[in-house]
Amino acid sequence: DIQMTQSPSSVSASVGDRVTITCRASQGISSWLAWYQQKPGKAPKLLIYAASSLQSGVPSRFSGSGSGADFTLTISSLQPEDFATYYCQQANSFLSFGQGTKVEIK
Amino acid sequence: QVQLQESGPGLVKPSETLSLTCTVSGYSISSGYYWGWIRQPPGKGLEWIGSIYHSGSTYYNPSLKSRVTISVDTSKNHFSLKLSSVTAADTAVYYCARVRIAVAGTGYFDYWGQGTLVTVSS
Repeated sequence: DIQMTQSPSSVSASVGDRVTITCRASQGISSWLAWYQQKPGKAPKLLIYAASSLQSGVPSRFSGSGSGADFTLTISSLQPEDFATYYCQQANSFLSFGQGTKVEIK
Repeated sequence: QVQLQESGPGLVKPSETLSLTCTVSGYSISSGYYWGWIRQPPGKGLEWIGSIYHSGSTYYNPSLKSRVTISVDTSKNHFSLKLSSVTAADTAVYYCARVRIAVAGTGYFDYWGQGTLVTVSS
């Protein structure tokens, strides 16, 4: 099984801040990685797929990078609606998620 | 617009079988894509349960494989989940989703249902 480890587990930030979340796979997964945003009581929303491709309708302040085992999600300028929990997910072998990173208001 | 809706009992007794159905609208399951189930215990992270193609090919999470059956009914445009021998650890919000295919059997979840809470309790 491929294990996905996100860091940090939580981050406190202010509106306008640049926020970076990392995700590490226990083995190489090429670029088979997605990022999701989840707000309380709601289903996750796909933000990024194939490590760096922006899902249709997602604001351009979200970007993804990385390949192999190390990946990054960056929010260039945090907006009030971005406070949420973010998950990475690998699609190289079966499917598995990271444990989540909660972005909180500072 | 693709929409998915989970349905099924919200309460299941321990040792019994959890059964859920996901009805898809706005897209024909027969047209392609994989279709999957994901769950989320209260206050915890996401766990993939399994996925199915319209042809009936299935992929299951190895940790749940012995208890999971996913099936598809293209005539009703829905797919279903059965999880047997449930315990309190299976209490979770269960989501169905469409899978944008990455490699065979895997992919990214681009459309999700709203989720349904299933509680395992006597």
